[in-house]
This record gives sequence, C-alpha cells and structure tokens, in this order.
Amino acid sequence: AQSVTQPDARVTVSEGASLQLRCKYSYSATPYLFWYVQYPRQGLQLLLKYYSGDPVVQGVNSFEAEFSKSNSSFHLQKASVHWSDSAVYFCALSPRSNYQLIWGSGTKLIIKP
Amino acid sequence: EAAVTQSPRSKVAVTGGKVTLSCHQTNNHDYMYWYRQDTGHGLRLIHYSYVADSTEKGDIPDGYKASRPSQENFSLILELASLSQTAVYFCASSDWGGNYAEQFFGPGTRLTVL
Repeated sequence: AQSVTQPDARVTVSEGASLQLRCKYSYSATPYLFWYVQYPRQGLQLLLKYYSGDPVVQGVNSFEAEFSKSNSSFHLQKASVHWSDSAVYFCALSPRSNYQLIWGSGTKLIIKP
Repeated sequence: EAAVTQSPRSKVAVTGGKVTLSCHQTNNHDYMYWYRQDTGHGLRLIHYSYVADSTEKGDIPDGYKASRPSQENFSLILELASLSQTAVYFCASSDWGGNYAEQFFGPGTRLTVL
C-alpha cells in the first residue's frame, strides 16, 4: 500500500540552527514527491518537488530536500531557520500511475528565539 | 491574482442545516479536489473531479456531496450538517498532464457546526 509517514509531529529548533524534517514513503516504484508548507490560518503552498534526476532538489526560501530510493525517504532540510519558518510542513507522494496525492500527517515546526 | 479562491472563508452553521462551500479556479486545470483538515491532522480527500458534470468519491465521502458545473467551479455540499463536520475545508486544482499532480490550494473555509 502507498503511504507517507512523517514521524515527528512537532520539531523545535532555535533560530539560526539547521533543520531536518523527516519523511518516509512506501511505494513500489519511484514516486513524485512534494513538500508543502502551511502557515497559520492559510492554505498550503508548494515548497519543492521531486520528479527524477538529481536527488537533491532546491525549493523556495532556501529549503532543499534529498530523495533516497534506498531509504525510501525525502527529508526536508534548511541550513539556518528563521522565525518566519514557523509553520506546518506536509510531505506528499503521487504515484506515477495517477493524479492523486497521498499526504503525511504533517510536522509542526516551532522556532525558538 | 489568486488562482484558487474559496467562499465563504468562514461559516457557522446549525446542526441539520444545509451548507454549500464554493471553489473557483482560474488555472484551466481539469482536476479539482475537496479536502478537510481537522486540528492537528493532515488532509483527507472528500471528493474530486476530473471533468465538468462528473464527480468522484474520495476517502471520506460520507455526509458530503460535490458538484462540478463547469471546469472552473467545484462545490461541496453538506445536506445535513453535523457537529463532526466542523473542520477547515480546502479546495485544490491540478493538471495531471502538465504538472505531475502538483496541486494548487485555495485559502480554506473554516466551518463551525453548532
């Protein structure tokens, strides 16, 4: 069965520190993978996406993610977080066979001053 | 210009009443989706549509109907609203052929059923 797991419901980091948000997926082939961000009381916005090729993909606001087929992972990273990065981050998978998105449960990122 | 808009942005409804949530997109996308989000949880797919005048059930369709009268418009209908339907509802659109299922979201509708 296809699934996306975000094992950390909440992550707290200090402003200026580095960040990694974890995402593991279950799918028999290589899927399309996405990270979305939801700022308070707003809709979801796409941060970055992976289709194929270079396993490290760059996104908006200096976020990047690395696809690992061997680990079935697509972790989100940022070298130095800012208070404005406080939000909920969702990882999602799209099977290459159809249009639907399968969503993780989200990770709430809290930035300490 | 916002490409996916939703109305109303918030609504308070009474139990047993009828609620209609509207979504309009200017992306020229074929696919449209309705999700609900409960506090502290991810998104769950209620209904979706890939062509006008046709809708499909998602993962949690019970208690909801959908209507797609045109490519641009997609409505979610709660015929008999219940307390358990209090949530934030998001509409999204996508173009499977062009964007590999990347979805574009509206700002959400916060529904409170009393």
